[in-house]
Formats: sequence, C-alpha cells, structure tokens
Amino acid sequence: DGGITQSPKYLFRKEGQNVTLSCEQNLNHDAMYWYRQDPGQGLRLIYYSQIVNDFQKGDIAEGYSVSREKKESFPLTVTSAQKNPTAFYLCASSRETGGVNNEQFFGPGTRLTVL
Amino acid sequence: AQKVTQAQTEISVVEKEDVTLDCVYETRDTTYYLFWYKQPPSGELVFLIRRNSFDEQNEISGRYSWNFQKSTSSFNFTITASQVVDSAVYFCALNDYKLSFGAGTTVTVRA
Repeated sequence: DGGITQSPKYLFRKEGQNVTLSCEQNLNHDAMYWYRQDPGQGLRLIYYSQIVNDFQKGDIAEGYSVSREKKESFPLTVTSAQKNPTAFYLCASSRETGGVNNEQFFGPGTRLTVL
Repeated sequence: AQKVTQAQTEISVVEKEDVTLDCVYETRDTTYYLFWYKQPPSGELVFLIRRNSFDEQNEISGRYSWNFQKSTSSFNFTITASQVVDSAVYFCALNDYKLSFGAGTTVTVRA
C-alpha cells in the first residue's frame, strides 16, 4: 500500500539534544513537507522540498534542519537551537509543489516532548 | 494577517444532527484551491474535499457537502446526519502559492 510513514510515533528528548524525525513515502511524490502543530493551532510549515537535494525554508524554520538525499526520504532534525520543540510534527507529500491543486498526503505524525 | 479563519473553535452535537463548519479565507490570487482535512484522534490528516477558485458549484458527496461563495470568500463544510466517528478536528486550507491552514474546529459528536 502506498503511503507515508513517520517514526518514531513518540519521542522524548532532553534539553540540549538534537533529534531526528524520520519521514518516508512510497507514493513517488516529488514534493515533501514538514509541519509543526501546537494545541489549538493549525499547521505551520517548517521546511519543504520540491526535488532531491533541494529544500526551502517555510514559515518557522529556525532551529530545524532537513536533508533530501533520496526522493523517498525527508528527515527533519530538531536542533538544540529550537527553544520550544515540544509539539506534534507532521510530514506530508504531494505530486509537486507548484501545483496549487495538488492535495497533500500526510503521515501519522511524531509527538516530540522535551523533558 | 491570517489567510484562513475558522471562527468556531469547538462544536458539540448529538448524533444525527447536521454540523456546519465555517471557513473564511483571504487571497489576492485569482487561481487557488480550497481544501478540507479531517484529523481524527490518531493524528493523521485525512484529505476530504477540494474546490478550485473557478468552480463555485456546490456539491454533495455522501454525508459531506460544501458551500463555496467567492463573493464572501467563504468555503463552508457540512456533515449531514453526524455520527460518532465524525468526531475529529477539521481544518480548512487554502493553496494559492503555498498551503495555509486554519486553526481547526474540534467537532464532538455525542451518542
């Protein structure tokens, strides 16, 4: 079955540590995205990538980093520079970024808690 | 300025009641798409419906229907004869050059 997988489902981090969230898709989509969701708020875009080896900052990229070495994979690293990292992180993909008609497909999310 | 506004934070209904979710958007583009997504307690966002800016025809799909009015920049979504499984957070989203989400409306359907 085609879809998006994210791991782990729950992640706990000590202050000052970097952590990497995994996102894999087998939909053959060109574009991938990372969003952050806080309670009572909509999704905010962290980073997105239109093609392999290329990615762009979203609205709240500070304290995060990404890579896109393979079409299927778009890992997100939450660095110690991110002051308030506790949140729910969602990965998504779509056929392409430029097409405004393309719906995005979402993974199940990773809930990150900083202890 | 918020591009997508969902004024209702929470809605609670009894099973079989209809539920209408409001969405107002803001864009300067003439070509754009509007979406509704559902987020059940599991957390994954599920795509429900899509409407482009040139098609104001309102449609019904099963128990879902939507009312798109370009003149008032509104894209309301209705669940008819609600069921407990409809309990979720519903997000309205606008894609003009990037996807912008509203804050979401939590719908609780009580048996």
